Amino acid sequence: DQQVKQNSPSLSVQEGRISILNCDYTNSMFDYFLWYKKYPAEGPTFLISISSIKDKNEDGRFTVFLNKSAKHLSLHIVPSQPGDSAVYFCAAKFQGAQKLVFGQGTRLTINP
Amino acid sequence: DADVTQTPRNRITKTGKRIMLECSQTKGHDRMYWYRQDPGLGLRLIYYSFDVKDINKGEISDGYSVSRQAQAKFSLSLESAIPNQTALYFCATSDPGTAGNTIYFGEGSWLTVV
Repeated sequence: DQQVKQNSPSLSVQEGRISILNCDYTNSMFDYFLWYKKYPAEGPTFLISISSIKDKNEDGRFTVFLNKSAKHLSLHIVPSQPGDSAVYFCAAKFQGAQKLVFGQGTRLTINP
Repeated sequence: DADVTQTPRNRITKTGKRIMLECSQTKGHDRMYWYRQDPGLGLRLIYYSFDVKDINKGEISDGYSVSRQAQAKFSLSLESAIPNQTALYFCATSDPGTAGNTIYFGEGSWLTVV
């Protein structure tokens, strides 16, 4: 049973426009959500996170939005740059636990 | 140099063979993990260890074993490899003091079982 779902396997966006990556979850006991970015031949790297007590967290061009009632979070990248082309994983942590549950990943391609 | 180092980076092995993937870290973290990545399935947790004397099964531990030789070393073994264990394997560490238990990954080990 996939508790964290990224329903879009791929997304293509023009350079300079906004990229929006989506993630849905099923368990209301998650208390932290994270986004990881993965380039080919490299391990995933941490990008941005948000606590379940917040609805928005911003870091430069990256903003994560959390809608707890809909059990949905999204990552916005503005403006999108060619170096943003990568696979993005959404992850969630259970309250009181120290493990992360990952989504399937979304491959983002930024076109010049 | 990478903070989390995996060896080998690539390996092809035959069905039924024993294979070990090794991981070492210089981040000084107590917590270490092994994940595998498969297309369409994301990253799934195989085993994790919160200190040298602690070993825990993850979502998909069947067919795997681990050894935590020291705080900095965590190895994953496939006792008798099978083709559906062909995947990209990641070792990772975490610092519980970070928000959300941020995990730091190695560069990955490609394993092909033929």
